Parts: sequence; C-alpha cells; structure tokens
Amino acid sequence: DIVMTQTPSSQAVSAGEKVTMSCKSSQSLLYSENKKNYLAWYQQKPGQSPKLLISWASTRESGVPDRFIGSGSGTDFTLTISSVQAEDLAVYYCEQYYDTPLTFGSGTKLEIK
Amino acid sequence: QVQLTESGPGLVHPSETLSLTCTVSGFSLTGYSVYWVRQPSGKGLEWMGRMRYNGDTSYNSALKSRLSISRDTSKNQVFLKMNSLQTDDTGTYYCTRGGLHWGQGVMVTVSS
Repeated sequence: DIVMTQTPSSQAVSAGEKVTMSCKSSQSLLYSENKKNYLAWYQQKPGQSPKLLISWASTRESGVPDRFIGSGSGTDFTLTISSVQAEDLAVYYCEQYYDTPLTFGSGTKLEIK
Repeated sequence: QVQLTESGPGLVHPSETLSLTCTVSGFSLTGYSVYWVRQPSGKGLEWMGRMRYNGDTSYNSALKSRLSISRDTSKNQVFLKMNSLQTDDTGTYYCTRGGLHWGQGVMVTVSS
C-alpha cells in the first residue's frame, strides 16, 4: 500500500498569514502516460463531511477560493493557503488515488490564532 | 443534483455484522464508482473500499477479510457489510462519489 505522510500534524496561524503543509508519498504518484499526479487535497471542517479542494495535485475544484494552491510532483506535494481566513479552520488531508487501496495522510489541523 | 445518503444502525454489538446502505440520486451507479470511507471518532480518514461503475470491487487490505461491498443498481443503492465488529470500528462511515460528492455520514457505535 502507498503510505501518505503529512506534516505538520497541527499548525496555528493568524488570519492573513500564509501557511504551507506537506504531503509525501512512499512512491511516485506521477503516471508517465498522462503526466498527471494522482493526488487530492481535502478540507474537513468540524462536524462536516470532507470537501474536495484540489485534484491532480494542483487543479482547484469549482468554487474553491484561489487562495488554496496545490503544488508538487512525484512524491512531494504541498498545499498552500496564501492568506488564511477564519473560515479555513479545519483539518486538511491529502489522498493518493494512483493505486488501490486509496490512502489518506493523517491530516494537518489548522488552527487560527 | 448528485446526492448520497448513508443509512444503518447506530449501535452494533461486538462480534456482530455491520450493514450500511448508501442510497444515491442524480447519477447512475453504472456510470460512476462509489467509495466507502470511515473516520474513527477524533481521528483521520480511512478508505475502506470501492464499488466500481462496472461492478468490480476493491478493498482496503487491512479490512478485506471482514468487508464486502455490493450494489443494487435498480434501487440506486450500494451496500457495505463488515463482520466481527470491535470497539475500534466505532466512528462515522461515509459514502462518496469520486471524492467530490459525499454523504453526511452515519455514526456507528460498537458497544455491548
């Protein structure tokens, strides 16, 4: 199984600050045939179902604010929130869908100071 | 619009079998895959398995011996059955279409 490692486990920032979080996979998620990275980012707010923010490592879903930026390739990926807002309080998960079983990282909890 | 709704018992006794149903609307099960994901209370997300659009299934390696996923396309329903439940199976169980559309989740408690 592909292991997904997220760091840090939690992070506290002030509104307006930039935040980055990391996700590393135990094997490459880049499919050579189509040059796509099979990596997604989810946001889960307290008491809610997860919400898909980004797929293919860097493609924002419709309606997701452009302050959410996904980057990286191969085994190293980053989610950046360019200017954190109070409503971004949540746990963020990465997920690989390169191979079954699909696997999630353990999450990064974002707290607002 | 696309909707997924999980249903099932809120309480299951240890060693018993969990049966959950995901009822979908707004799309066909023969056109899209549906996954089951669970979340132990206060913990992270765990992918359990998948019912593909063509009827094929895939399972989490750690759960494979206890887990079965099936469907009834005429009723627009996907089923999850997991046997030999233990207390650490307590949590919220979700069904999702491709990670983009999620149900609200169903809380399952394993307790005597």
